[in-house]
Amino acid sequence: EDKVVQSPLSLVVHEGDTVTLNCSYEVTNFRSLLWYKQEKKAPTFLFMLTSSGIEKKSGRLSSILDKKELFSILNITATQTGDSAVYLCAPRRDNNNDMRFGAGTRLTVKP
Amino acid sequence: SAVISQKPSRDICQRGTSLTIQCQVDSQVTMMFWYRQQPGQSLTLIATANQGSEATYESGFVIDKFPISRPNLTFSTLTVSNMSPEDSSIYLCSVETRGPYEQYFGPGTRLTVT
Repeated sequence: EDKVVQSPLSLVVHEGDTVTLNCSYEVTNFRSLLWYKQEKKAPTFLFMLTSSGIEKKSGRLSSILDKKELFSILNITATQTGDSAVYLCAPRRDNNNDMRFGAGTRLTVKP
Repeated sequence: SAVISQKPSRDICQRGTSLTIQCQVDSQVTMMFWYRQQPGQSLTLIATANQGSEATYESGFVIDKFPISRPNLTFSTLTVSNMSPEDSSIYLCSVETRGPYEQYFGPGTRLTVT
């Protein structure tokens, strides 16, 4: 059975801190892993990772995938209150391209 | 990316009725999916909407309860049939774009069943 575990489940930090969010997975026919930010209703796309060891960056956010150890991390540097959200990781399978979501990490950034 | 719209954005429905949710995307996409997010939970895949053929349902979801149509490459509907309060959720349409095959979500439909 497919398994996606995100840690920590919840995290409270202050503005300016750096955070690392973890995602480990066991998914059959793995193809890629996607990260999303969810603030209200719809998740917002952040990154898609397909290859091991290649860091993707967007501003203060970065992410990397390790296909051998079956995990990914999402880093946020110099956090801001606007980073407060639930961060979801979702491995995607090759046969149907559907995603399996983790429970998410709820990040709260205090001023 | 893709611009995705969903209608309605929210609705309050009575037990035993049905609601059809529409998903429209501004460009042809390879795949369309329907997800459900129950209160306090993560996202669960309901089905893959296949163009011109029956949808592919995940374990625990059946066509009689969640009929899906996808008449073309840019439009799909999900019907929640014979609703009960347990169907109260956010329903989300997701699409996979043509190369680089990223996946985006529509704004979601918040359904409350009384």
